[in-house]
Amino acid sequence: QKEVEQDPGPLSVPEGAIVSLNCTYSNSAFQYFMWYRQYSRKGPELLMYTYSSGNKEDGRFTAQVDKSSKYISLFIRDSQPSDSATYLCAMSANTNAGKSTFGDGTTLTVKP
Amino acid sequence: DADVTQTPRNRITKTGKRIMLECSQTKGHDRMYWYRQDPGLGLRLIYYSFDVKDINKGEISDGYSVSRQAQAKFSLSLESAIPNQTALYFCATRGQGLHNEQFFGPGTRLTVL
Repeated sequence: QKEVEQDPGPLSVPEGAIVSLNCTYSNSAFQYFMWYRQYSRKGPELLMYTYSSGNKEDGRFTAQVDKSSKYISLFIRDSQPSDSATYLCAMSANTNAGKSTFGDGTTLTVKP
Repeated sequence: DADVTQTPRNRITKTGKRIMLECSQTKGHDRMYWYRQDPGLGLRLIYYSFDVKDINKGEISDGYSVSRQAQAKFSLSLESAIPNQTALYFCATRGQGLHNEQFFGPGTRLTVL
């Protein structure tokens, strides 16, 4: 069983919709939770970063971490066609090794 | 100019050939990584390096080798390429400290025939 499981998608939503992207994990040592966005033919770029449990908001994006359930989510409000991309969750333990475990990614298409 | 560059961007090669993928960075980061990405399998770590003298295997290092020629350069070699090494390869860097953001290059699309 993988340490990180991500909802597989693909997701297709109309412009303006609220999008929920989700990952579960099994390693209780994970303390750092990240969401990367990857556009087609590009490398992933960090979108959101959260330490431990709680919510973090940045514009239309909200990252939510529930360590008790080992569940993280990324919410996108008022989705735009420019949000069409693959979203990867990533997690790492409290270590300076900098090794992150990635989910398989969810491909999102926002239709105008 | 891009902070993390990879060459070549695309490569087609034949089974049994040796091939090298190169990565350079101008971010001054000490940590560098090589990943491969396959459809439906996410990013899998091949090798990582904390500095020039520190090389570590990732989860899928078999069939690959690396060289850290300088702080800014980290190369990935396929000694004898095989078709199931066809994938998208990414180099990434990360600075010191507990913040775990990695900065990725644009990727190299490798096809082994």
